Order: sequence, then C-alpha cells, then structure tokens
Amino acid sequence: AQSVTQPDIHITVSEGASLELRCNYSYGATPYLFWYVQSPGQGLQLLLKYFSGDTLVQGIKGFEAEFKRSQSSFNLRKPSVHWSDAAEYFCAVGAGTGGFKTIFGAGTRLFVKA
Amino acid sequence: NAGVTQTPKFQVLKTGQSMTLQCAQDMNHEYMSWYRQDPGMGLRLIHYSVGAGITDQGEVPNGYNVSRSTTEDFPLRLLSAAPSQTSVYFCASSPYRQATEAFFGQGTRLTVV
Repeated sequence: AQSVTQPDIHITVSEGASLELRCNYSYGATPYLFWYVQSPGQGLQLLLKYFSGDTLVQGIKGFEAEFKRSQSSFNLRKPSVHWSDAAEYFCAVGAGTGGFKTIFGAGTRLFVKA
Repeated sequence: NAGVTQTPKFQVLKTGQSMTLQCAQDMNHEYMSWYRQDPGMGLRLIHYSVGAGITDQGEVPNGYNVSRSTTEDFPLRLLSAAPSQTSVYFCASSPYRQATEAFFGQGTRLTVV
C-alpha cells in the first residue's frame, strides 16, 4: 500500500539557518510527489511538486526538493529560513492513474526562533 | 476564482446530531475527496469520488456518508455525530487521470460535544 513517512514530528531552527525536512514514500510505480504547507488556522498551499524530469524541483517561497528514487525520498530544503516559514509541512504522494488520489504524511511542524 | 468552497467554516454539534458539510468546486474536476485532519496524523482520506454517481471509501470512512449527484458538489454527511469526529475537515478536487495537484477548500472545524 502507498504510504508517506515524515520522521520528524517537529523541528526548530534559527532564523537565517538552513532547513531540511525529510520525507520517505512507499509506492510501486513512478510517484507523483508533493509538498504542502499549512499556516495556523489556514488551508493547504502547494509548495512544489514532482512528476517527472529533473529530480531537483523549485517551488514557491524559496523552497526546493530533491527526488531520490534509490532512497525513496523527497526531502524539502530551504537555504535560509524566515520567521514567516513557521508552519506545518506535509509531504504527499499521488496514487492511482495520474496520481489523482493524494496520500499525506503525518506532517512536520516547523518552529523558527529569533 | 472561487475554486473549492466549503461551508460552514465552524460548527458545534451535540452527540447524536446529524449534519452535512458542503463542498462545491467550479473547476469541472472529476475527482473530489474528503479528508479529516487530526493532530499528529496528517490528513486522512474519508471518502472520494471519481465522477457523478461514483463514490468509494478511503482510509477512515466509518460514521460518514457521501453522494455525488453533480460534478460540482460533494457533500459529507454525519448521520449521528460522535466526539471522535471532532476534527478539521478538508474537501479537495483535481482532474481525474491527469498529473496535477489537489486543490483544497479552507476547511471546516467541527466540534462534537
């Protein structure tokens, strides 16, 4: 069965420091992979997605993610974190033909300290 | 630019009451789904639909019913609310069999007392 694992329930980084959020997936076929962000009390916003091609994808707000098939990973990175990045981040895989059914990880809450 | 619209945004129910969470999308998407979000558990799929008249169960379907009479609407019904259904509910839509992301509503925060 398809699944997504985010090993870190929460992470705290200092403002200006780099960030990496981990994501591992389990899916038999070529995966469609996503990162979403949810600010407190808000809905989900798509940060970036990977469907095929270049394994390093760029997203909004200065985020990027790298797809590594050999490690079944799709880690999210940002070189310099801003206080406004404090939020919950969800990794997801699209299952089914065309990846229409989205399966989410449990999320990683990011805290940013001054 | 309405996208996916959920109503209501907030709701308090008493145990045993019934209610319907509404979801409508104006993007002509075939696929629609309902998730519940609970702390530490991410978003879990409740029910989904790949087109009018077609629905199927997701990961956590018990206690919820759905129907899909039109492409635009996908209501979620709680027939007899329980405190365990206290959660934030999200509706999402996307084209079927096309590689694209899901589009989410703003959520409904439901409390069952």
